Amino acid sequence: DGGITQSPKYLFRKEGQNVTLSCEQNLNHDAMYWYRQDPGQGLRLIYYSQIVNDFQKGDIAEGYSVSREKKESFPLTVTSAQKNPTAFYLCASSMGGNTEAFFGQGTRLTVV
Amino acid sequence: KQEVTQIPAALSVPEGENLVLNCSFTDSAIYNLQWFRQDPGKGLTSLLLIQSSQREQTSGRLNASLDKSSGRSTLYIAASQPGDSATYLCAVSRGDKIIFGKGTRLHILP
Repeated sequence: DGGITQSPKYLFRKEGQNVTLSCEQNLNHDAMYWYRQDPGQGLRLIYYSQIVNDFQKGDIAEGYSVSREKKESFPLTVTSAQKNPTAFYLCASSMGGNTEAFFGQGTRLTVV
Repeated sequence: KQEVTQIPAALSVPEGENLVLNCSFTDSAIYNLQWFRQDPGKGLTSLLLIQSSQREQTSGRLNASLDKSSGRSTLYIAASQPGDSATYLCAVSRGDKIIFGKGTRLHILP
């Protein structure tokens, strides 16, 4: 059935390592988004993409990178430059414009 | 810069009561406003989407209103149930970015 799949559900990273979070959708949506959620801070936008092969920085892009080589995939890499990566990461997609956004179930990243 | 505020941050009410959650935004140039529900440790579930040209949307016991000119939206929950306990977030979109409030944590007392 259709939806957004994030994997893994839990991820542990050692200091200094890069890790990649997966986000796949089969909704044929053009737009995809990555958010970070910390306790008491709500959702903050990391990167977003309105179309394949194009993406823009959100409000907290430093220390993160993305790619959008396929319409259905928008992986997020958390680099060693991200000083406080422990958080809950959420991926979303929509048809763009004024349409409804849908979310995956999230990936909880912990630095050990 | 668009800012979205949700008041109150937390709310506890007895089961069966009707309740209202508030959302305000600073820039009225929005395409739509969406209300979401989030259970602990889970992703967001879309509840209602209101287009900028609409005044309200209803789904079951939920009713959301939008007053774009004043930058306000309310989510009305009728006859609350313990299963309604969750965090409720509102978000506004201008078609590119989707900006979220910090949410209202709702606890329905059995």
